[in-house]
Amino acid sequence: ETGVTQSPTHLIKTRGQQVTLRCSSQSGHNTVSWYQQALGQGPQFIFQYYREEENGRGNFPPRFSGLQFPNYSSELNVNALELDDSALYLCASSLGRPRSYEQYFGPGTRLTVT
Amino acid sequence: SQQGEEDPQALSIQEGENATMNCSYKTSINNLQWYRQNSGRGLVHLILIRSNEREKHSGRLRVTLDTSKKSSSLLITASRAADTASYFCAGYSGGGADGLTFGKGTHLIIQP
Repeated sequence: ETGVTQSPTHLIKTRGQQVTLRCSSQSGHNTVSWYQQALGQGPQFIFQYYREEENGRGNFPPRFSGLQFPNYSSELNVNALELDDSALYLCASSLGRPRSYEQYFGPGTRLTVT
Repeated sequence: SQQGEEDPQALSIQEGENATMNCSYKTSINNLQWYRQNSGRGLVHLILIRSNEREKHSGRLRVTLDTSKKSSSLLITASRAADTASYFCAGYSGGGADGLTFGKGTHLIIQP
């Protein structure tokens, strides 16, 4: 167990809807990264937040957005859901500056879009 | 896009045997890492090998790195049923984004 928690565990939404996923980082960690993992693939980086600011972003459209709160917990919001958004969404927290090498992953939220 | 390619995609061996997985990556990455994922859940960090290191050990794990070939290998010795999982190599590839870039993974099955 890494101390990183995510909610909900599973979620089923309809195409066109909006979804919010939540992540609580490990105590003392100030950086949170979000990843999307499609079935049978490796995780793909969505974006990272460092001290409440977006610090980097992968190749995802603007309908993927996020927030980091003063307690370093984080949200991932996805608007206008598409079928291809069905995936496991992982958050990972780390300590110190961005690019802290070891990331601590939560158990993930499995999103199904129908 | 996936940065690394793990080989093989799937591997099934008997308990007690050694398992070797390989990772090749396209562009230069710093400090290659290996992660394990059980049954589509969260990833667990296994080991990090720095760009100036060639080999590193941690318990039953041995990792090698060949930066000239842009490749790494993960060896698990004396495998156990609990080692059944997917294994991913990952690294930071630059370009401004600050997330890890993962390969597609090797699915390892340890037969009891």
